[in-house]
Amino acid sequence: DTGVSQNPRHKITKRGQNVTFRCDPISEHNRLYWYRQTLGQGPEFLTYFQNEAQLEKSRLLSDRFSAERPKGSFSTLEIQRTEQGDSAMYLCASSLDIGYTFGSGTRLTVV
Amino acid sequence: AQSVTQLGSHVSVSEGALVLLRCNYSSSVPPYLFWYVQYPNQGLQLLLKYTSAATLVKGINGFEAEFKKSETSFHLTKPSAHMRDAAEYFCAVTFTGGGNKLTFGTGTQLKVEL
Repeated sequence: DTGVSQNPRHKITKRGQNVTFRCDPISEHNRLYWYRQTLGQGPEFLTYFQNEAQLEKSRLLSDRFSAERPKGSFSTLEIQRTEQGDSAMYLCASSLDIGYTFGSGTRLTVV
Repeated sequence: AQSVTQLGSHVSVSEGALVLLRCNYSSSVPPYLFWYVQYPNQGLQLLLKYTSAATLVKGINGFEAEFKKSETSFHLTKPSAHMRDAAEYFCAVTFTGGGNKLTFGTGTQLKVEL
């Protein structure tokens, strides 16, 4: 069990560019979650997968955001045409039961 | 809808003093409740969870929390603060059938002073 791994840890991008983040969950966990955390706030739910099926998406997830989990293993979160308001920490978590294990997050800065 | 409210965005204690971080929840169905800790530029680490078994839950690093249905509370305590406890603490709630989706509070920053 190597925990939940997220890459990259930090990403600085120019407004309007596309970015993609990767999350590798704990291998036996069938559920995978994405959250966004802005400064001074708690994490906010974005979306989750059970195996390869995306079961729920938050209204926070505009059409510029897309997430995939091919083959029910790793997941990617893509943001197209980034805006300054997208600057945040993006957290991935995985679970098998009640409660999660979180990764260390990807901090996105849009300049 | 479910929610949690954390009273006090900043709490300061002396090393060796009691730590009390407050969390009140709102849920129309029996909740599952959690406390997470976050160190700077890190993800969240689970401290403890309540899943409808014992109402007094013991977690890691000497923390514990008590589920009080009558008060809709799940306060986090530690008898004696240590410098390494300085971090941000988040209370969160979910419920059966909720897809294990967590709703977090806004967090409490704990400062530990010598």
